[in-house]
Amino acid sequence: AQKITQTQPGMFVQEKEAVTLDCTYDTSDQSYGLFWYKQPSSGEMIFLIYQGSYDEQNATEGRYSLNFQKARKSANLVISASQLGDSAMYFCAMRVMNTGFQKLVFGTGTRLLVSP
Amino acid sequence: NAGVTQTPKFQVLKTGQSMTLQCAQDMNHNSMYWYRQDPGMGLRLIYYSASEGTTDKGEVPNGYNVSRLNKREFSLRLESAAPSQTSVYFCASSPGGTSYEQYFGPGTRLTVT
Repeated sequence: AQKITQTQPGMFVQEKEAVTLDCTYDTSDQSYGLFWYKQPSSGEMIFLIYQGSYDEQNATEGRYSLNFQKARKSANLVISASQLGDSAMYFCAMRVMNTGFQKLVFGTGTRLLVSP
Repeated sequence: NAGVTQTPKFQVLKTGQSMTLQCAQDMNHNSMYWYRQDPGMGLRLIYYSASEGTTDKGEVPNGYNVSRLNKREFSLRLESAAPSQTSVYFCASSPGGTSYEQYFGPGTRLTVT
């Protein structure tokens, strides 16, 4: 079964510190991809970062980086220098193939709270 | 360039009523999706449309129907609403092919009493 697991329901971090949000995945596909999305309290889903299974280097986008460990089937999101505006729900998702079509499977999310 | 738009933003229905959630994208994307988000369960795929003229079931299609009216628009219909369909509904689109990122609309909060 293709599945995403996020084991941290909530995380707390102080402003300017780094934080790691965990994500593990399960798939038997050779070609797949991992996404992270941010959902602030306003409700919209904001794309943060993407890592393909064949990408040799870890993806980075500004303060976001994806720590991709293929053997462990983990794709953790690292946020450096946290800001108050980073407080939100964060969802890990995996791109899967189904009858020749790419779809996303989401985890249950981690709520991050950044304190001053 | 509005991206993905959804109407309405909020809706309250009585059990048994019907309604259609509208979604439109102006990015010329081929693929469109409908998800529902319930507390503690992440997003689950209801239906998707790989390209104009095609639709297919996702994880939780029961109680829903969809129409891909044209390349821009993908609607979700609840024929006879049930309290179990109380949720937040998101529409998304993606270019398709080797472009994997999905762009989401702002969501519709639906309550069925």
